[in-house]
Amino acid sequence: KQEVTQIPAALSVPEGENLVLNCSFTDSAIYNLQWFRQDPGKGLTSLLLIQSSQREQTSGRLNASLDKSSGRSTLYIAASQPGDSATYLCFAWASKLTFGTGTRLQVTL
Amino acid sequence: DGGITQSPKYLFRKEGQNVTLSCEQNLNHDAMYWYRQDPGQGLRLIYYSQIVNDFQKGDIAEGYSVSREKKESFPLTVTSAQKNPTAFYLCASSMGGGPDTQYFGPGTRLTVL
Repeated sequence: KQEVTQIPAALSVPEGENLVLNCSFTDSAIYNLQWFRQDPGKGLTSLLLIQSSQREQTSGRLNASLDKSSGRSTLYIAASQPGDSATYLCFAWASKLTFGTGTRLQVTL
Repeated sequence: DGGITQSPKYLFRKEGQNVTLSCEQNLNHDAMYWYRQDPGQGLRLIYYSQIVNDFQKGDIAEGYSVSREKKESFPLTVTSAQKNPTAFYLCASSMGGGPDTQYFGPGTRLTVL
């Protein structure tokens, strides 16, 4: 059974800091791993998708890495801004489709 | 505008009543999905459909039913057999039936009184 864990559950940082969000998964036979952002009461917005053959993807201030052998993915956010405040979810597509429980990020002024 | 729409945004029902949540997409995607989100928990897959007239159960299908008569539409019915139906319901779609980027609708918050 695939389990996807995100640590920490919540994080508060001052504006401008670089930060890393972690995602661990137990079934390394994943097809891809996707990072989403969710604002309160809203749907999910796709940020980055890493195929199983890839090691990282970048979009603007965001960089996501994937290490299948260790069952880990990280989302790196550079120069954080208050507008980055949201819940970040990782999603692993293996034999089952499994979401992590999310990291709630608050970027303060 | 291309995208996924869910209606209504908020829905209230009395206990024991069936209710149907709408999900429509104009992205020409083959696959569609229904997830449920509860406070403090990640999204859990209810049903998914890789192609018209075909669908599979996800992890928590009990008490739910779906149909996929058209490519654009994937309605979810929450039946009276669902023991704890109050939740936030999210619909998604992806281009193919295999591993691919999922795009989400805005969600429907269902409250059963």
